[in-house]
Amino acid sequence: EAGVTQFPSHSVIEKGQTVTLRCDPISGHDNLYWYRRVMGKEIKFLLHFVKESKQDESGMPNNRFLAERTGGTYSTLKVQPAELEDSGVYFCASSQAPGKAETQYFGPGTRLLVL
Amino acid sequence: GNSVTQMEGPVTLSEEAFLTINCTYTATGYPSLFWYVQYPGEGLQLLLKATKADDKGSNKGFEATYRKETTSFHLEKGSVQVSDSAVYFCALRGGGSNYKLTFGKGTLLTVNP
Repeated sequence: EAGVTQFPSHSVIEKGQTVTLRCDPISGHDNLYWYRRVMGKEIKFLLHFVKESKQDESGMPNNRFLAERTGGTYSTLKVQPAELEDSGVYFCASSQAPGKAETQYFGPGTRLLVL
Repeated sequence: GNSVTQMEGPVTLSEEAFLTINCTYTATGYPSLFWYVQYPGEGLQLLLKATKADDKGSNKGFEATYRKETTSFHLEKGSVQVSDSAVYFCALRGGGSNYKLTFGKGTLLTVNP
């Protein structure tokens, strides 16, 4: 069974440009999460989808970030326009059913560098 | 809010040495606790977890016990190997319908032969 996949693995863009990150969760996983790790800091939660609905988007830093999950399958995270402080590693995770013992399976991450 | 504090690295050990990485947490309710590991060039993998007080999670020779009285979840391994070199993250998930993970900063472990 394929794990969580993310594309691209790396992205280097200039300040002001737009970047779209993609996450394909494990097949059958209704829950999809986005997290971000800025250099030297903690991995921080961005948002949580249940199927195509946003369950919790309390971690989204500002309105330059837009996440979608049309059809409840893959998800995209768009940053427009990108700023220098958006640089970091963006992780996606998925899980089958939330609960106390839920395991979130992570993808390899997308390394974003904004110059 | 919830928070996790873990031992700052980097940690450098010789093969077969004993490993402890400290992790303490602050949370409301009854959180679940996790250790994730990130090997070079790979994503985060769940290493072990514990969902209630006094539970011990274990995997690949690693262990951690959920201590509610000290709000801790320290990671231990009796004899590390070179292949254990990685970044280790302590994390918690709050109780109830709060499903997001709160992570510590991560501890880089390097094991030398």
